[in-house]
Amino acid sequence: DAKTTQPNSMESNEEEPVHLPCNHSTISGTDYIHWYRQLPSQGPEYVIHGLTSNVNNRMASLAIAEDRKSSTLILHRATLRDAAVYYCILRFGTGGGNKLTFGTGTQLKVEL
Amino acid sequence: DVKVTQSSRYLVKRTGEKVFLECVQDMDHENMFWYRQDPGLGLRLIYFSYDVKMKEKGDIPEGYSVSREKKERFSLILESASTNQTSMYLCASSTGGGWSEQYFGPGTRLTVT
Repeated sequence: DAKTTQPNSMESNEEEPVHLPCNHSTISGTDYIHWYRQLPSQGPEYVIHGLTSNVNNRMASLAIAEDRKSSTLILHRATLRDAAVYYCILRFGTGGGNKLTFGTGTQLKVEL
Repeated sequence: DVKVTQSSRYLVKRTGEKVFLECVQDMDHENMFWYRQDPGLGLRLIYFSYDVKMKEKGDIPEGYSVSREKKERFSLILESASTNQTSMYLCASSTGGGWSEQYFGPGTRLTVT
């Protein structure tokens, strides 16, 4: 499986934008880029995913580099509730039971 | 809303006991997954199933088995629990397709003494 690299931790102030980077230099053409987050004492929850084009949803935006070797999750206005571990995951687009291979993620701290 | 439920939030068992962790989903999802989560190691896939009675090994299947007799239910079995199986266990489900999101349960914190 292709690997991802994320910073261990990041800090942000409330109501400011947050850009969470992810490097995936060995990504293959059929790999989808997924982001999940895990709030304290909860299971992970889906945030967003994309293949080649930038994506937006109600939670976040995903910016994918043109060569697809990196991506950035953008939280437009961080709140205290966004403090969580954010995981960037590559997943095969075909078959494989759509397994997810989690890394250790980025711990996002949000301060007042 | 999709709901994935796990039979217990906290469980304490003794070494050598047989342990069953149950997971139920209510969205008719084809795929179901069992992960364990340990500090510094993130989530690791133990087993997954893409259909009733079908199972596939994940990254760390040793010491575990699974059962999927009904579409909505996926059980993780520790045949003889050991202290190194003390962990947080998370169940997830999803529809088919490489792009589909996984829905996770709240987790079971298992302690083996």
